[in-house]
Parts: sequence; structure tokens; C-alpha cells
Amino acid sequence: DGGITQSPKYLFRKEGQNVTLSCEQNLNHDAMYWYRQDPGQGLRLIYYSQIVNDFQKGDIAEGYSVSREKKESFPLTVTSAQKNPTAFYLCASSIEETQYFGPGTRLLVL
Amino acid sequence: DAKTTQPPSMDCAEGRAANLPCNHSTISGNEYVYWYRQIHSQGPQYIIHGLKNNETNEMASLIITEDRKSSTLILPHATLRDTAVYYCIVFYYGGSQGNLIFGKGTKLSVKP
Repeated sequence: DGGITQSPKYLFRKEGQNVTLSCEQNLNHDAMYWYRQDPGQGLRLIYYSQIVNDFQKGDIAEGYSVSREKKESFPLTVTSAQKNPTAFYLCASSIEETQYFGPGTRLLVL
Repeated sequence: DAKTTQPPSMDCAEGRAANLPCNHSTISGNEYVYWYRQIHSQGPQYIIHGLKNNETNEMASLIITEDRKSSTLILPHATLRDTAVYYCIVFYYGGSQGNLIFGKGTKLSVKP
């Protein structure tokens, strides 16, 4: 099946720990995105990448890092510098102007 | 901030058409109107988008007014599985960062 996969579905982070969220797509899309969603709120852009080996900060990049070594993969690391990481994280990829989303990863802090 | 205004909630009877309105009075000439929906705890699902003309696909129809200041998403025969939050978004890709601005959306409840 073609699509976007995110893993894990739930992730628990201890204080001071870095965690990495996976996002993979087999749609051959050039652009990929990471969004954060807080309860009852809309999505906010963390990072985006329009091509391999290139990425740009979004509106709320502080405390996060990404890499784009392969076209299919765009992992997001939530670092210990992110003081309020509990949220629903969504990855998307796009062909031209239409973005398609993965199922999301819910990150909880222990 | 979102450039669209939607009612916070709507109800629809199962099997009837659901008509979801959206106001976007400040839309620019090169901005598309997009509709996504999100079922609780899932990723947003793309529904349809359009620029000026009305559009139809297997999921829905999009009616855009001639002045482009408002639009309506139509689900022709709503089912219980269509219960979700529906987001209307105006968006211009053209070399920009591609930031979709999701507002609060409309919570559609389809009732038996």
C-alpha cells in the first residue's frame, strides 16, 4: 500500500531524554513536513523539507531537530530543550500543493 | 491565524446531505481553498480543494462563490463515519514553506 507511516503510535519520554519520531513515505513525494497539535487546537508547523538534504524551520522549531538523508524518511527528534513536548505529532508529505498526513504519534512525558 | 471562519459545530441526519460553510473574505487570487477532516486521534484526511471552479470527487463536492469569498463543502449522503472535525483552509503553495494553517474547524456530528 502507498502511504505515510509514523511510528510509534504512542511514545513516552522521561525528563531530560531525547526521543525520535519516525516518518516514512513511499509516495515518491519530494516535500515532507512535521506538525504539532495540542488538544483542541489546530496544527503548528515545526519543520519542513522540500528536497533531500535540505530542511527549514517552521513556526515552532525550538527544541526540535530533523534530518532528511533519504527521500522516503524525515525523522523528528524531540530534544530535552523542548520543555512542553506532550502533544500529537503529525507528519505529512506533498506532491505540488496537496499535503497528505500520516496517522500521528502521541508523545507523553513521564 | 487562520484566514477562514467556520461554525463551531453542526448536526446532520444519516443519509442526508451535509453542507459545511466557510467564509474566506480575504482570500488572494492565487490561494486555493482546501478541505481536510480529522477523526479523533487520527491524522487529517485530505478531502478536496479548488481555486475558482466547483469541484467534485468521490468523497465530496466543493462549491466556491463567484467572488471566492466563501465556499461550501457538500457530503452528499452523510454516514456515521463522516463524524469528524472539518477544516477549511486557504493556501498558496508557490514556493512558500507550505504551512497549512488549521483553525478550529467545524465539528460535524452525523446522527442516526
